[in-house]
Amino acid sequence: QQQVKQSPQSLIVQKGGISIINCAYENTAFDYFPWYQQFPGKGPALLIAIRPDVSEKKEGRFTISFNKSAKQFSLHIMDSQPGDSATYFCAASVTGAGSYQLTFGKGTKLSVIP
Amino acid sequence: NAGVTQTPKFRVLKTGQSMTLLCAQDMNHEYMYWYRQDPGMGLRLIHYSVGEGTTAKGEVPDGYNVSRLKKQNFLLGLESAAPSQTSVYFCASSYFSGGTEAFFGQGTRLTVV
Repeated sequence: QQQVKQSPQSLIVQKGGISIINCAYENTAFDYFPWYQQFPGKGPALLIAIRPDVSEKKEGRFTISFNKSAKQFSLHIMDSQPGDSATYFCAASVTGAGSYQLTFGKGTKLSVIP
Repeated sequence: NAGVTQTPKFRVLKTGQSMTLLCAQDMNHEYMYWYRQDPGMGLRLIHYSVGEGTTAKGEVPDGYNVSRLKKQNFLLGLESAAPSQTSVYFCASSYFSGGTEAFFGQGTRLTVV
């Protein structure tokens, strides 16, 4: 049973455009929702994360939108650049005592074309 | 400050051989994790540790063993490698529970022939 569903699998965006990646989760106990960025041959790197007590978090060109009632969250990349071309993973976890696992989506390969 | 370092970066094994992957972190993190990454599957947790001397099974533990004898090191062992274990393996560590602000290593690409 896949607890975090990510879409789309791949995305092509023109330079300067907005990239949007969506994730949906099932476990209502999740209280930590990070996004990771991975370049080829490298390990995933934490990009931005959100807790369910806020509906939006922005860091530079990257924004997480969170909809608790719909159990969905999304990553928006504004003014997308070729350097943003990478694979993006959403994840979710329960951070309280006794729970340790980050559950990942299957990833979205983003290509930003000049 | 090296963060999370994995050794080796690449390895080719024959079916039935054994090997150990080493993960070392210098951030004094309590929590350490081993994931495998396969095309179209995302990252799946193999084993994790919540502190020195502790280990626990993750989502896909079969065929792997782990040890955490020192806080900074987390070892992943394959006793009898199988082609299904061909994958990219990532180690991660975090200060907080639930993988909060987890840092990942650069990965080990393992091929079992």
